[in-house]
Amino acid sequence: AQTVTQSQPEMSVQEAETVTLSCTYDTSESDYYLFWYKQPPSRQMILVIRQEAYKQQNATENRFSVNFQKAAKSFSLKISDSQLGDAAMYFCAYRTNTDKLIFGTGTRLQVFP
Amino acid sequence: GAVVSQHPSWVICKSGTSVKIECRSLDFQATTMFWYRQFPKQSLMLMATSNEGSKATYEQGVEKDKFLINHASLTLSTLTVTSAHPEDSSFYICSAARPQRGNYEQYFGPGTRLTVT
Repeated sequence: AQTVTQSQPEMSVQEAETVTLSCTYDTSESDYYLFWYKQPPSRQMILVIRQEAYKQQNATENRFSVNFQKAAKSFSLKISDSQLGDAAMYFCAYRTNTDKLIFGTGTRLQVFP
Repeated sequence: GAVVSQHPSWVICKSGTSVKIECRSLDFQATTMFWYRQFPKQSLMLMATSNEGSKATYEQGVEKDKFLINHASLTLSTLTVTSAHPEDSSFYICSAARPQRGNYEQYFGPGTRLTVT
């Protein structure tokens, strides 16, 4: 069975600085998708970024980028130029070949002015 | 586009009663919807996968007779918590799968907070 591990329960960053959130996963599948979701206090899940496992190039979305290491089964999220609005819970997720999303335990990100 | 709504956003019910939560995809058709449960300060746990016109597929450990799921149309799935107990109090989130560029993306509803007294 697939598992997703986020080893950082909480992280903090100063506004305008860069922070990296870690995620590792375990799977025997060769083709899959990985996601980072943001959940602000409103509890609405927001897709931050998506990575397709067969693509070697790391995904980027404006200030958000990932470091995808397939062999190491690592999928970290880098947030550049952090903003106060980035404060939220961040969940790493793996999508199985039966289309189910498996979430990590989350990392709470605090952004200080 | 790709908006998913849930109703109600919060509900309080008495122990032993049933409560229904609706999940609607407002601007796209979703053949598949998913129901998640999230306890305070915890992650989302998939409860079941709902396919339009067929029976839902429940995850291991989820009581199908307690959490009734109906996906009667391409834009509506409902979750009914039957004979609710205080331990059923939680945040319930649905998502709908929208086809996109030969694949699909899951879009999440805003969630429903259920409190059973």
